[in-house]
Amino acid sequence: DAKTTQPPSMDCAEGRAANLPCNHSTISGNEYVYWYRQIHSQGPQYIIHGLKNNETNEMASLIITEDRKSSTLILPHATLRDTAVYYCIVRVVGTNAGKSTFGDGTTLTVKP
Amino acid sequence: TAGITQAPTSQILAAGRSMTLRCTQDMRHNAMYWYRQDLGLGLRLIHYSNTAGTTGKGEVPDGYSVSRANTDDFPLTLASAVPSQTSVYFCASSWTVDQPQHFGDGTRLSIL
Repeated sequence: DAKTTQPPSMDCAEGRAANLPCNHSTISGNEYVYWYRQIHSQGPQYIIHGLKNNETNEMASLIITEDRKSSTLILPHATLRDTAVYYCIVRVVGTNAGKSTFGDGTTLTVKP
Repeated sequence: TAGITQAPTSQILAAGRSMTLRCTQDMRHNAMYWYRQDLGLGLRLIHYSNTAGTTGKGEVPDGYSVSRANTDDFPLTLASAVPSQTSVYFCASSWTVDQPQHFGDGTRLSIL
């Protein structure tokens, strides 16, 4: 699976959009981009994933560049409860590929 | 709804002893995973199972073993615990290897 690079930390004002970048320059054509977050010491929580098209759900939007070498997770109206560590990972599509490495993620701090 | 249940929640174990961390899911997911998370770091994959009856090695498999006798259970065994295995252990599952993972609440293990 391709390796990802994320900034170690970011701040965001409450009510503003939080834009979290992720670089995955070695991604291959059969790898999805996934985003998870981990609040305090809880188990990670799935947010969103995509292959090459932009995706949106009730939690966030995922923007993937045309060359698929980077992506941005957007939390449109960040709240204090969105303070968490956000992980960007890539995973191979297929029935015999279960490996995924989370890396250290980005610690997002939403400030009042 | 239970989802993924991990037991015990926490444990203190003497070095050299063996221990099995339990993980049970009621979602009939095919794939299951074990991660460890050391203090302040991201999650690293220990072992995974694409489907019942099969297992594979992740990023940090040494010192750990797993079995997948049925769909619901995926126990992780430390045959002879060492202090470096002190960590928080998360179990996860997904419908298939390229679907979002659902995580348990973790087991906090201290090896003394």
